[in-house]
Amino acid sequence: DSGVTQTPKHLITATGQRVTLRCSPRSGDLSVYWYQQSLDQGLQFLIHYYNGEERAKGNILERFSAQQFPDLHSELNLSSLELGDSALYFCASSMTGRSEAFFGQGTRLTVV
Amino acid sequence: KNEVEQSPQNLTAQEGEFITINCSYSVGISALHWLQQHPGGGIVSLFMLSSGKKKHGRLIATINIQEKHSSLHITASHPRDSAVYICAVRSPGNTGKLIFGQGTTLQVKP
Repeated sequence: DSGVTQTPKHLITATGQRVTLRCSPRSGDLSVYWYQQSLDQGLQFLIHYYNGEERAKGNILERFSAQQFPDLHSELNLSSLELGDSALYFCASSMTGRSEAFFGQGTRLTVV
Repeated sequence: KNEVEQSPQNLTAQEGEFITINCSYSVGISALHWLQQHPGGGIVSLFMLSSGKKKHGRLIATINIQEKHSSLHITASHPRDSAVYICAVRSPGNTGKLIFGQGTTLQVKP
């Protein structure tokens, strides 16, 4: 158990809908990262938050947004969902942007 | 060309064999990670390296910064080592951004 908790584990939704994925980091970790793993693109970095502030952005679509709350949990919001958004979404956390990251078990999103 | 290349893409070994997975990268990095992903999807961090060599049980990871190359070795392989092994490099600075290789699928047969 990495100590990083993601909910839900599985999510099935229809095209055009909006979903929210939640991540609770390890105790004491200030950095939260979101990654997308799809069959055709592999693992890709989406976004990094540190202590409530956005630190870095990767290949995150405009339809996607994230935030980190004062209690350090983070949410990834995916809207106007398309079939191609079906993927595993991972959250990871670390103490800082330079330290080892620990991954959650992922949320498997299926868009039908 | 991908910024992080792993070889081989697929590897089948007999139980007990010594296994090597290679990772080459073309960008500047602050650290390199080796990750393990089992069927069912969860990712486990095995090593984070910025120089030299690290060992944990039967796993050994090395990195050569000058050559931009890292290797993951598994000694006395076991069927429970069957998984996808992923190399990821961390961008310089404090962004925490990881760039991932495509993964190596390892199957260890009893």
